[in-house]
Amino acid sequence: DTGVSQDPRHKITKRGQNVTFRCDPISEHNRLYWYRQTLGQGPEFLTYFQNEAQLEKSRLLSDRFSAERPKGSFSTLEIQRTEQGDSAMYLCASSPLSGMNTEAFFGQGTRLTVV
Amino acid sequence: AQKVTQAQTEISVVEKEDVTLDCVYETRDTTYYLFWYKQPPSGELVFLIRRNSFDEQNEISGRYSWNFQKSTSSFNFTITASQVVDSAVYFCALQGSARQLTFGSGTQLTVLP
Repeated sequence: DTGVSQDPRHKITKRGQNVTFRCDPISEHNRLYWYRQTLGQGPEFLTYFQNEAQLEKSRLLSDRFSAERPKGSFSTLEIQRTEQGDSAMYLCASSPLSGMNTEAFFGQGTRLTVV
Repeated sequence: AQKVTQAQTEISVVEKEDVTLDCVYETRDTTYYLFWYKQPPSGELVFLIRRNSFDEQNEISGRYSWNFQKSTSSFNFTITASQVVDSAVYFCALQGSARQLTFGSGTQLTVLP
């Protein structure tokens, strides 16, 4: 299967701990996105990479959040000092570099529960 | 600022009924794209359709059809002869000059046997 892969699928952590999620995009896709989805809501944009460059960050991405995409391949999203409000589904998506006329392909997400 | 509104939170239909999901959007961009995604219980968002702002021609693809009306900023989605497997949350999304998608809050569709 060559779709977007996210790891882990589920993560339970204690408040105050740090967590890191990984996303492996579709191999030929240059663009990579992170979204956050809370229960009963649509996904909300967090950040966007084009190759290894982080081009945009949402105001939702507080200082406790950091994302990287070394070498323009996989990406990691780290949350430091987790809070209960961070509990959500974190979705990764990728798309090719060919203008706007492309759809984003999503992974199955990482569900984070902060207790 | 962009906004997508899906006023229908939940819809239930009996199998084989037709169902229309509503979507209204706001954007200041003159060029934009509209999308519908499906999210089954497994959680993965599945792409269904994309339309650009210059193409108001409506389309039918199998049991799916779309009605894009720029004058009313609406992009509605219809499933004909619904099936139990169509049960999922459906999201309408907008992509403007920014690369990211702005999603609506979703419509939970339940198709009863």
